[in-house]
Amino acid sequence: EAGVAQSPRYKIIEKRQSVAFWCNPISGHATLYWYQQILGQGPKLLIQFQNNGVVDDSQLPKDRFSAERLKGVDSTLKIQPAKLEDSAVYLCASRLVRGLGELFFGEGSRLTVL
Amino acid sequence: KQEVTQIPAALSVPEGENLVLNCSFTDSAIYNLQWFRQDPGKGLTSLLLIQSSQREQTSGRLNASLDKSSGRSTLYIAASQPGDSATYLCAPSGGGADGLTFGKGTHLIIQP
Repeated sequence: EAGVAQSPRYKIIEKRQSVAFWCNPISGHATLYWYQQILGQGPKLLIQFQNNGVVDDSQLPKDRFSAERLKGVDSTLKIQPAKLEDSAVYLCASRLVRGLGELFFGEGSRLTVL
Repeated sequence: KQEVTQIPAALSVPEGENLVLNCSFTDSAIYNLQWFRQDPGKGLTSLLLIQSSQREQTSGRLNASLDKSSGRSTLYIAASQPGDSATYLCAPSGGGADGLTFGKGTHLIIQP
C-alpha cells in the first residue's frame, strides 16, 4: 500500500515570495490534515479536510495561508507572501475515518524562508 | 483546548535498559491516542494506536498504556537498542479536536 506522498521535499525561498506544497493521501482516506512543525516543537494542526470540505481551519493564518482539496483526493497548501517565521516542516497526514483510526504521515516538506 | 505534556524532554541511556516515556493530556474526552517516532529530517512513523476503550497495546518491544480518566499514557520500551534513538511523540485524538494534538516529544538517545 502506497503511503502519503508529499512534494517538494525541500524548498528555499526569500521572504515575501510564494510557495505551494502538494499532498497525495493514502488511497481511500477521506480525512486529510496539514500540520506545521517548527524545529524543536511538536506538529501543530493547520487545517483538516473531510473529502473536499474543510472541517477545521481555526489555526490557519488565513491572511497568508490557503489550502484546497478540490476533488477530495490531492491537496495543496499555499503560502503567500512568506515570512521568516514560516520556516518549518509542513506535514500532510491522512486517515480512513474522521476522528478514528490510525493517522499516517508523509515525509514532509521542509521550507526555509530567507 | 487539549494540551499535551511529555516527560522527560530528553533522555540518554546505555543500550539494554528498559525505558518509560510519559505523556499527559488535559482533556480526557478522547477517541484514541497514538504514539509516533520521528527520526531527524523525517516524517512521523506510527508505533501504536490505543483506542479509548483499551488499557494497553503492544508491538514487539513496545508497550503503551492508557489511563483515560487521569489523562495519562506511558510508552514502555524494553531492552533498548541504538536504533531506538529518535524523538517520540504522543498524540491524543479528540478532546475538542478531531485531529491529533501533539506534545513537544521526548528526544531519546541510546548509547551503544
